[in-house]
Amino acid sequence: GIQVEQSPPDLILQEGANSTLRCNFSDSVNNLQWFHQNPWGQLINLFYIPSGTKQNGRLSATTVATERYSLLYISSSQTTDSGVYFCAVEPGGGADGLTFGKGTHLIIQP
Amino acid sequence: DGGITQSPKYLFRKEGQNVTLSCEQNLNHDAMYWYRQDPGQGLRLIYYSQIVNDFQKGDIAEGYSVSREKKESFPLTVTSAQKNPTAFYLCASSNTMNTEAFFGQGTRLTVV
Repeated sequence: GIQVEQSPPDLILQEGANSTLRCNFSDSVNNLQWFHQNPWGQLINLFYIPSGTKQNGRLSATTVATERYSLLYISSSQTTDSGVYFCAVEPGGGADGLTFGKGTHLIIQP
Repeated sequence: DGGITQSPKYLFRKEGQNVTLSCEQNLNHDAMYWYRQDPGQGLRLIYYSQIVNDFQKGDIAEGYSVSREKKESFPLTVTSAQKNPTAFYLCASSNTMNTEAFFGQGTRLTVV
């Protein structure tokens, strides 16, 4: 099946710093999503981005489908940005379920 | 308001017992999914259903069963055949064309 690799696995930053999280995938995809998992375990949808670039406030994402990677940018980090960020992809043309990476654990220190 | 509701939030099970986790959605989505998350890991797909009365095995279906009798509901049964059932279980739903998935708040299952 498709492989999803996220880097770095852990990232510790000071408040106000910028960060870039990377997601590499091994095959073409129909769906790519970025999630933030909060301390209670809830997965928060950040971006649905199988290709192109999107922005939402301090967060933006870019997927280069032909080169099989996606990037999540977080600018001016806040302590509330802490948590685990997951990239998930779905190959094929139907609703067959997502394959998740192992996540990037982000800690923002005040 | 629209969303996905999982219940209960916490569940304790004795070894050898079956237990059923509930998932209900009012987003009018055709597809529903169950995932399992172990500590420090990503999510893995257990079962999914693209339409009522039909479902497919995911990557780790052994020891689990599902049903899809209604569009809104996709319950998951963790059977006694599941050797290591302690985990965090998440339910999701999506459309079948635009497959952006949305998740419930999860159920933490502990075997005691």
